[in-house]
Amino acid sequence: EAGVTQFPSHSVIEKGQTVTLRCDPISGHDNLYWYRRVMGKEIKFLLHFVKESKQDESGMPNNRFLAERTGGTYSTLKVQPAELEDSGVYFCASSVRLSLGQGIYDEQYFGPGTRLTVT
Amino acid sequence: DAKTTQPTSMDCAEGRAANLPCNHSTISGNEYVYWYRQIHSQGPQYIIHGLKNNETNEMASLIITEDRKSSTLILPHATLRDTAVYYCIVRVWAASGTYKYIFGTGTRLKVLA
Repeated sequence: EAGVTQFPSHSVIEKGQTVTLRCDPISGHDNLYWYRRVMGKEIKFLLHFVKESKQDESGMPNNRFLAERTGGTYSTLKVQPAELEDSGVYFCASSVRLSLGQGIYDEQYFGPGTRLTVT
Repeated sequence: DAKTTQPTSMDCAEGRAANLPCNHSTISGNEYVYWYRQIHSQGPQYIIHGLKNNETNEMASLIITEDRKSSTLILPHATLRDTAVYYCIVRVWAASGTYKYIFGTGTRLKVLA
């Protein structure tokens, strides 16, 4: 079974440019999440899709960030225009939410991340 | 949101048990504790999770205190391949009606030969 894949692995852009990150979740996973870690900080939640719908986008930093998941398969995260503070590692994760005895179990499978550098 | 605190780094001798602590004193009653680890250039990988009871799987054990304000991840026989950053995470119920992970800053574990 293929894991979560992300493209590109690295991206270096200039301030003011646009970058689009892509995430391909594990096949059959309805839940897709975006996270990021900026320098020196912890990994932070950005947003959560259930299929093609945005379930929670409370972590999106501002309106320069736009996430889409057309058709409920892969997802893109666009940053436009990029600023210096957007530099960091962007992770995507997917999960199948299962309801088991003790509650809802939703192990998230993470991709390797995209390292974004804005100069 | 619940917040976790972890030591920045730890060393452990190969073959010995690695005990990684996590403080989550503001955790709510229905919030789970998850542990993930990140090996260089890979994404975080699931290890174990729990609510109240101690848990064990093929990778590790999770000990949660009775008051649930702290927990310890135990790698019983650490190997060099266990060198990684270990994240203690609280899974919270968001206002949107779904769960999300709140990551700690992570502990960089170095297993020494």
